[in-house]
Amino acid sequence: GAVVSQHPSRVICKSGTSVKIECRSLDFQATTMFWYRQFPKKSLMLMATSNEGSKATYEQGVEKDKFLINHASLTLSTLTVTSAHPEDSSFYICSASEGSEQYFGPGTRLTVT
Amino acid sequence: QKEVEQNSGPLSVPEGAIASLNCTYSDRGSQSFFWYRQYSGKSPELIMSIYSNGDKEDGRFTAQLNKASQYVSLLIRDSQPSDSATYLCAVNRDDMRFGAGTRLTVKP
Repeated sequence: GAVVSQHPSRVICKSGTSVKIECRSLDFQATTMFWYRQFPKKSLMLMATSNEGSKATYEQGVEKDKFLINHASLTLSTLTVTSAHPEDSSFYICSASEGSEQYFGPGTRLTVT
Repeated sequence: QKEVEQNSGPLSVPEGAIASLNCTYSDRGSQSFFWYRQYSGKSPELIMSIYSNGDKEDGRFTAQLNKASQYVSLLIRDSQPSDSATYLCAVNRDDMRFGAGTRLTVKP
């Protein structure tokens, strides 16, 4: 299957700072990428859909000014958590679609202290 | 009604048994169907995709699709402790919708 990478895998930051997470499709071009958040023992929650060269589409309840998404190329999407707070601590996972299939990155565990 | 429904479990089976995971979906126009496996603390991994009615087999895994009943299942034969994970059903029409997952435990 297709390979999606994420960086960093873990990040600890102080409250009020911003954190950028990168998602790359390594062996295919992804017109569409997705960002999910998952709290412990909870299901995946789609945050936003990112299309190359256009603005991301955010799910209801997700603050677009807090979670900035940029999809500048067919292989790279970034999620920036701005002014992070402890309640933003979570597992952030990106995925990229190739045809009708969706492949997930390994995830980024964010801890905000 | 949720778009994609799964029994949350936990489903517990003994090693060597067949594990049966079920999923129903509400959108009759759905075109493609997937099963993902997610180990604790890891991201989901695609293990099966199925697009037409009937069975699709891949090793110990068999996906079954019945569009008339809006039902898709995953059978795991000869279950191993390493199969213990949460299994996510996903359904795609214009976009992918995930179920909440079924937690499977295979006991040695």
